[in-house]
Amino acid sequence: DTGVSQDPRHKITKRGQNVTFRCDPISEHNRLYWYRQTLGQGPEFLTYFQNEAQLEKSRLLSDRFSAERPKGSFSTLEIQRTEQGDSAMYLCASSLDVAVATEAFFGQGTRLTVV
Amino acid sequence: EDKVVQSPLSLVVHEGDTVTLNCSYEVTNFRSLLWYKQEKKAPTFLFMLTSSGIEKKSGRLSSILDKKELFSILNITATQTGDSAIYLCAVEVIYGQNFVFGPGTRLSVLP
Repeated sequence: DTGVSQDPRHKITKRGQNVTFRCDPISEHNRLYWYRQTLGQGPEFLTYFQNEAQLEKSRLLSDRFSAERPKGSFSTLEIQRTEQGDSAMYLCASSLDVAVATEAFFGQGTRLTVV
Repeated sequence: EDKVVQSPLSLVVHEGDTVTLNCSYEVTNFRSLLWYKQEKKAPTFLFMLTSSGIEKKSGRLSSILDKKELFSILNITATQTGDSAIYLCAVEVIYGQNFVFGPGTRLSVLP
């Protein structure tokens, strides 16, 4: 499977716990994005990497959220001290960094439930 | 702030009907507009539009972009129950968030 893969697919955690999600992009893609999606809403931008550099981070993103892409390949998204409002689908996408328009390819997502 | 708006937010039709989904946008540094279909998990890519007036077509689906009026439409003819999904419109911008999504249109096709 050469698509974008995310792990785990589902995560249930107690409020206050830390969670970490992983995303493996399509191998030749150097752009990687994290989005959050709640029921009835479109994906909401969280952050964006070009290779290992985190170039953009949503102003709405709490300090409890941090993302890394240490070697420019896979990425991790960590949420510290989870709250019930963090319950959502976390989507990862990747694309090529090219001069022309290109589409983003999405992973299956990690569904987080904070109880 | 970059914004993408879709209408209607929800639509119920019967098999065989034709539907038109709307997407309007206000962004700086526009690069392209994309349509995705989301059934249960990952959005899957449908179309990418960069030029005004050029229709993209795939089977019963087609889409067109108007860069002057800042909108796009997605048409689905002879709808089938398998077309039931959320249809997402996204705009790629050159700087900043890169892909800005609308809220989606939830289409339900009844047999």
